[in-house]
Amino acid sequence: GAGVSQSPSNKVTEKGKDVELRCDPISGHTALYWYRQSLGQGLEFLIYFQGNSAPDKSGLPSDRFSAERTGGSVSTLTIQRTQQEDSAVYLCASSGRTATQETQYFGPGTRLLVL
Amino acid sequence: DAKTTQPPSMDCAEGRAANLPCNHSTISGNEYVYWYRQIHSQGPQYIIHGLKNNETNEMASLIITEDRKSSTLILPHATLRDTAVYYCIVRGSGGSNYKLTFGKGTLLTVNP
Repeated sequence: GAGVSQSPSNKVTEKGKDVELRCDPISGHTALYWYRQSLGQGLEFLIYFQGNSAPDKSGLPSDRFSAERTGGSVSTLTIQRTQQEDSAVYLCASSGRTATQETQYFGPGTRLLVL
Repeated sequence: DAKTTQPPSMDCAEGRAANLPCNHSTISGNEYVYWYRQIHSQGPQYIIHGLKNNETNEMASLIITEDRKSSTLILPHATLRDTAVYYCIVRGSGGSNYKLTFGKGTLLTVNP
């Protein structure tokens, strides 16, 4: 079946502009995660959605970052007034009914470059 | 979550088995061992996971020692496309254990 998809695959933007990154999770998966991976760095958790529960936003690095998940499926991560340090690969993952032991399946990522 | 230790790099000849070790000596009873890999410029790919029994799927086998303090991921017939960074992680249940963190991993290079 189809995996997690993300768009765009690459995004180049100018400092100060807003960007929107999209994630389509695996059909039927109720949990959705956003991570960030900077060059040569590990995985940085950003936000987690589970069904209709309030999202865990504890990993968002600043109030310029926000995410929403409409209809329990597609999610959009928005970065306002982008800065050069926002350049990274933004990864989305999804998992089944319960998050604690369900395997997370990742999308291909969106490579963001802020000039 | 328990910390894991992996060798930074390994080489393997194409067609041979690749055996990737992972130490997780502080693992607790309800923590699973997961393996992911990341091929250059791609998202992480789930490979396999297990609790205490050995596991096998179409991609690999996972051998967990009886004391659960270490494990080995086995790719039975490595191909050039298996060249990637392999991450061994340990995840508990409950709380915020959904926040995955990857260490440095092992860079496996499969040579022709």
